Amino acid sequence: DAGVTQSPTHLIKTRGQQVTLRCSPKSGHDTVSWYQQALGQGPQFIFQYYEEEERQRGNFPDRFSGHQFPNYSSELNVNALLLGDSALYLCASSVGSGANVLTFGAGSRLTVL
Amino acid sequence: DQQVKQNSPSLSVQEGRISILNCDYTNSMFDYFLWYKKYPAEGPTFLISISSIKDKNEDGRFTVFLNKSAKHLSLHIVPSQPGDSAVYFCAASWRNNDMRFGAGTRLTVKP
Repeated sequence: DAGVTQSPTHLIKTRGQQVTLRCSPKSGHDTVSWYQQALGQGPQFIFQYYEEEERQRGNFPDRFSGHQFPNYSSELNVNALLLGDSALYLCASSVGSGANVLTFGAGSRLTVL
Repeated sequence: DQQVKQNSPSLSVQEGRISILNCDYTNSMFDYFLWYKKYPAEGPTFLISISSIKDKNEDGRFTVFLNKSAKHLSLHIVPSQPGDSAVYFCAASWRNNDMRFGAGTRLTVKP
């Protein structure tokens, strides 16, 4: 049973570029949440998708956007990249938008030069 | 706005001894608390949780204690094993809103 899978695992971009990260939730899960983990810090909530809609959003600018597809997979898009966007981006899935226990993927490490 | 704090970035204990990881929070609205464990190159994995209506939850070698008046929770691992070496994150949420994480504590269990 595959858990949460994320792609790509690593990528390097330059300032001003745009990036798309992808996530497939664990089988049976219908909710996807995205987190940003900067070096030496804990994961910070970006947003959550359920039933193809953004249900909750953390304190992140509009440059961060997402999408959820009918098969529950999700994408995270970041526009106009800044150096400070360099981080590990974690996708987590769960059952229902109110679930407390999340299953995380291994993350996508983004480096912005 | 750091509502969940883990003030010890690292902890080292001897195999067989008790490991105690601490976490403090500031938002009294939090009603659910969790601990996640993270190995290198892997995502965090759920370890144990506790609801605010309880003050203790136990699962094998792992026990979480919640002190609501002090806004403090702790994770006890007894006995500690080398395989427990990882980064441990404390997390909290309320009314199923977004989960807030601490910065993590790196636990090293020495053989």
